[in-house]
Amino acid sequence: EVVLTQSPATLSLSPGERATLSCRASQSVSSYLAWYQQKPGQAPRLLIFDASNRATGIPARFSGSGSGTDFTLTISSLEPEDFAVYYCQQRSNWPPLTFGGGTKVEI
Amino acid sequence: QVQLVESGGGVVQPGRSLRVSCAASGFTFSSHGIHWVRQAPGKGLEWVAFISYDGSLKYYADSVKGRITTSRDSAKNTVFLQMSSLRAEDSALYYCAKDDGFDWSRGYLDYWGRGTLVSVSS
Repeated sequence: EVVLTQSPATLSLSPGERATLSCRASQSVSSYLAWYQQKPGQAPRLLIFDASNRATGIPARFSGSGSGTDFTLTISSLEPEDFAVYYCQQRSNWPPLTFGGGTKVEI
Repeated sequence: QVQLVESGGGVVQPGRSLRVSCAASGFTFSSHGIHWVRQAPGKGLEWVAFISYDGSLKYYADSVKGRITTSRDSAKNTVFLQMSSLRAEDSALYYCAKDDGFDWSRGYLDYWGRGTLVSVSS
């Protein structure tokens, strides 16, 4: 099973700042990695798939990069609605699909 | 628009069974697999199960294998999660989510329902 480790656990930033979130895989997942955003009381929303492709309707301030074992989600300039928990997920070697433990982006 | 609506959650005693449902609309149901993902209160996401677009493939997490099965009814555009021998650690919000692959199983979850809460307690 591929273990995904996200860091930091919590990121404290202000609106307008740049957010950089990390996801590290226990073995190579090629580019088969996604990022999801979850706000309190809501279901997760797909942001990025295949490491760097934005899902439908996702603003350009969200970008993903990386391959192999190290991945990054960058939010170029935080909007108030971006404060949420972010999860990475791999599909390279499934089942099982696995998720990282999440990074909370807080104000 | 794509909608996934879970139902059937509730409070159940340890060792008992429960079936939750996921009603789908707004997309070609017969062409997409459906995943089940759960989230314990205040915790992260855990993938639980998957059923392929045609029902021929079913996958389960080791933590639920042998206790949980999934099925689908194409006539009703509904997917089911049958849970038995429930344990306290199965208590969670259970989401169904659509696989974004068309006529194949890709493994990205592009639409999610709002979840149904299962609480296992005596």
